[in-house]
Amino acid sequence: AQSVAQPEDQVNVAEGNPLTVKCTYSVSGNPYLFWYVQYPNRGLQFLLKYITGDNLVKGSYGFEAEFNKSQTSFHLKKPSALVSDSALYFCAVRFNTDKLIFGTGTRLQVFP
Amino acid sequence: NAGVTQTPKFRILKIGQSMTLQCTQDMNHNYMYWYRQDPGMGLKLIYYSVGAGITDKGEVPNGYNVSRSTTEDFPLRLELAAPSQTSVYFCASSHTGQYSNQPQHFGDGTRLSIL
Repeated sequence: AQSVAQPEDQVNVAEGNPLTVKCTYSVSGNPYLFWYVQYPNRGLQFLLKYITGDNLVKGSYGFEAEFNKSQTSFHLKKPSALVSDSALYFCAVRFNTDKLIFGTGTRLQVFP
Repeated sequence: NAGVTQTPKFRILKIGQSMTLQCTQDMNHNYMYWYRQDPGMGLKLIYYSVGAGITDKGEVPNGYNVSRSTTEDFPLRLELAAPSQTSVYFCASSHTGQYSNQPQHFGDGTRLSIL
């Protein structure tokens, strides 16, 4: 079955340090991969996507993500975390359908 | 350009009551979606629509109904509210195209409690 996994419920990082939020997927075929961010009492906001081409994708707010086909992963990264990056992050995958499959979300906490 | 607008933002219902969650978008997207978000569970697709007059079930459709009479509007109906339907509901829309690579745009949600 097609699925998306975010193995960490929460990631804690000090401000100024690099951050990584992990995402892996299980699929047959070539998926489209997305990252969204959710701030308190708000809807999900699109951060970045991977469709094809360069494995390193750059998105909004200084975030980037690395697609690794052999490991079926699409980890979200940022070189230097900000306190304002604290939020809930969702990985999502679209597999040859009109529907997205979401991971369960990872809460990022950046400490001053 | 308001994007995706959901009303109401909050609502408390009694068991057995009915209500309609409203969703409208002004981006001329023909795809629209309803999700529910429960703690630690991510988002689950309830219903979706690929255009006016066309709707289809998602992962968790039981207890809900939808209609799509216009491109802009996609209301979600709860006929007999149950405590299990306490959740945060999100509406989203996206551009057309099968296997589209376009992201979905989300509203800010309706927080529904059923007591």
